[in-house]
This record gives sequence, structure tokens and C-alpha cells, in this order.
Amino acid sequence: DIQMTQSPASLSASLGETVTIECLASEDIYDILAWYQQKPGKSPQLLIYDASSLHTGVPSRFSGSGSGTQYSLKINSLQPEDFASYYCQNGLSAPRTFGAGTKLELK
Amino acid sequence: EVKLVESGGGLVQPGRSLKLSCAASGFSFNDYWMGWVRQAPGKGLEWIGEINQDSSTINYTPSLKDKFTISRDNAQNTLYLQMSKLGSEDTAIYYCARAPGADYFDYWGQGVMVTVSS
Repeated sequence: DIQMTQSPASLSASLGETVTIECLASEDIYDILAWYQQKPGKSPQLLIYDASSLHTGVPSRFSGSGSGTQYSLKINSLQPEDFASYYCQNGLSAPRTFGAGTKLELK
Repeated sequence: EVKLVESGGGLVQPGRSLKLSCAASGFSFNDYWMGWVRQAPGKGLEWIGEINQDSSTINYTPSLKDKFTISRDNAQNTLYLQMSKLGSEDTAIYYCARAPGADYFDYWGQGVMVTVSS
């Protein structure tokens, strides 16, 4: 099974700042990676699929990059609604495991 | 509008079974893979499994393969999760989700809480 190691586990940032979250797969996942945002008490929402494709309606300040085993989610100019938890997901093969998550908090 | 509504959750005793349902609307249900994800209180997301359009392919996370069964009824636009031999470790919010090509979930339900306790 493919393991997904996500870092950092938590992150403190200010409004307007740019942050990056990393995800490391235990083997090459050929860009079949998704990123989700989850706010407290809500369902996860898809942000990015296929490593860098923005899901419909997602603001352009979110971007994804990477290849092979290393991927990242970048959020430019943090807005109040961006403070949430973020998860990466291996989409290449079952079980399609999630990373442990990153909690982004307001500094 | 894509809508996924889970039901069937609640309080269940250890060792018992429970069946969750997910009613889909707003899209052609039989054109999509579907899946289940759970989240224990205060924890991260755990992928449970997935089912393809005609139920010919069903995949599970290995640790749940002998306890959980995923099925679907395309005539009723409904996805199911049959859970057996439930333990406290199965206490979680259970989400159903739509998967355009099995590799990611583009729409999620609101989730249903399952609490396993005596």
C-alpha cells in the first residue's frame, strides 16, 4: 500500500501570507494526487486533482505542484476562510490513502 | 446540483451490525465510481473503499475488508455501507463521496455519525 506523509502537522500563519504544505508518497504516484480542505464541522472539499488541476470554483490563490513522490499545495495571500485543515490523497491505486492532515491556524 | 445524503447512523452496541445509505441526486449515478471515507473524532480522514459503476470492482482498505461491505443500487441511486462486528474504533463520521474516475472525490455528503458504545 502507498503511504502518504504530510508535513507540517500544523502551521501558524498571518493573513496575506503565503504557505506551502508538503506531501510525500512512499512510491511514485504519477501525479495522481488530490488535495482537500476541511473546515470544522464540515465535509472535506476538493481543491486540487491530478496534482495541479484546480477544481471548479476554487480560488486561484490555491495551487498544486510536484511529481513522482513529492507534492505540494501552495496558498497565496491567505484569506480568513483559508484557515482550515488540509489533506492530500493518493489517487493512483487502492487503498487511496490520505495524508494525516495539516491544520492551518491564524497567527 | 450534486447532492449526497447519508443516513442510517446512530448509537450501536459493540459487536452489532449497521447499514448506512447514501442517496444521490443531481447527476447520473450509474456513470460514477462512489466511495466511503470515515473520520474518527478529532482525527484525520480514513479511506474505507470504493465501488465502480456496475459493482464489478470493489476495493477496500485492508484492515476493514472483512468487516465492511460496499454495494450500490443504480435503480435507486443509492450507495450502501454494511458494517459488521463493530467496535469502539469504528466510532466516526462516515462520508460518502463521488469519484469521477476512482482517483479522487469531487463531491461529498454531509456525513453521518456512528457511535459504537454499550
